[in-house]
Amino acid sequence: DAGITQSPRHKVTETGTPVTLRCHQTENHRYMYWYRQDPGHGLRLIHYSYGVKDTDKGEVSDGYSVSRSKTEDFLLTLESATSSQTSVYFCAISEPPRNTEAFFGQGTRLTVV
Amino acid sequence: AQSVTQLDSQVPVFEEAPVELRCNYSSSVSVYLFWYVQYPNQGLQLLLKYLSGSTLVKGINGFEAEFNKSQTSFHLRKPSVHISDTAEYFCAVSDPPAFSGGYNKLIFGAGTRLAVHP
Repeated sequence: DAGITQSPRHKVTETGTPVTLRCHQTENHRYMYWYRQDPGHGLRLIHYSYGVKDTDKGEVSDGYSVSRSKTEDFLLTLESATSSQTSVYFCAISEPPRNTEAFFGQGTRLTVV
Repeated sequence: AQSVTQLDSQVPVFEEAPVELRCNYSSSVSVYLFWYVQYPNQGLQLLLKYLSGSTLVKGINGFEAEFNKSQTSFHLRKPSVHISDTAEYFCAVSDPPAFSGGYNKLIFGAGTRLAVHP
């Protein structure tokens, strides 16, 4: 398995509170991604990054921000959590041309009550 | 924008029977195609990928898929399934990294839940 660790693995939080999810990789891959998984939608891209301090928005970025101060860490922040952000969040990494696919972490299940 | 349609949300099948999971994608000049599998409470694992070349690609666990450019399809098949194949399967497409700034930004289908019964 690719060296990707997501933390926490499970979290329950209240509406309106800030939440930060962490993705840590030991593969020295430059490209990192955050996806959310919802029934009937598969996975959708939230934000992605190429290297330190280089990030961009994906398909469903509203309500989310990211930061990448080190190559190995990619943080996803929900500034003010809403019930619609209840989901399973996956981090992924890639490093073309060495790898032509993305490798995924184990996921974080977030419940906003 | 790219899109992926997985035509069946659930596929029940008996053990040792063949199975086909269908996937269609929106047309593009050049695409990479992937099938990922997700076992309960786990992340996604790559089953197989099509980048170029032979249209029949073989993956892990006895799965294979055929790329059909004229029908924009990438159906996944296995000749004989096992109970352990019970999982959710995702088809995904991306632009080749050379066309997307090096990124492998995946567009996923909604998933197909394969249930193998004894």
